[in-house]
Amino acid sequence: DAGVIQSPRHEVTEMGQEVTLRCKPISGHDYLFWYRQTMMRGLELLIYFNNNVPIDDSGMPEDRFSAKMPNASFSTLKIQPSEPRDSAVYFCASSLDASYNEQFFGPGTRLTVL
Amino acid sequence: AQSVAQPEDQVNVAEGNPLTVKCTYSVSGNPYLFWYVQYPNRGLQFLLKYITGDNLVKGSYGFEAEFNKSQTSFHLKKPSALVSDSALYFCAVRDIGNTPLVFGKGTRLSVIA
Repeated sequence: DAGVIQSPRHEVTEMGQEVTLRCKPISGHDYLFWYRQTMMRGLELLIYFNNNVPIDDSGMPEDRFSAKMPNASFSTLKIQPSEPRDSAVYFCASSLDASYNEQFFGPGTRLTVL
Repeated sequence: AQSVAQPEDQVNVAEGNPLTVKCTYSVSGNPYLFWYVQYPNRGLQFLLKYITGDNLVKGSYGFEAEFNKSQTSFHLKKPSALVSDSALYFCAVRDIGNTPLVFGKGTRLSVIA
């Protein structure tokens, strides 16, 4: 398996633009997690899915953030409109379950909002 | 609610010396504890976990961790540090129920040649 795949690896955009981050989890993993990492706040869980259904989105910072998982092999995290404070590295991770088994992280998307 | 603390932002150790990265936790039930490592410009990688059983857990790259229930700690250790061990290390904990892990803020380990 190729592991968790994220695209793009780097994204530079201007304030106000829509940003879409993509993730392909490991096949057979029922759980998918979106995280954000910044120097100031560390690693934050934004939202996670179980069998394509959002379970907890309490970590999503604002209504500008939305996430979908239309099928077991694809998820998106969208920011609309983007703001400079959204600049961070966004990670997608997948796992067989929420916590007993380890999570496998993708390489991340480094987002810069100018 | 569960929480995890990594009291040191930075740990410096000379190559060949033993290293310890500290982690303490707070849960209401029996904890599941994890260590992850992050190398520059990479995602987190799983190192080891404690679920139940032997308090000393061995993991990848020669790392081990000791679960201490009385001290609510799960410190990461390695007998002899390598320069290539330099990275950001995260402790994570889960409480009862099928709930996600809570990650610590991370400890940056620098191994000096």
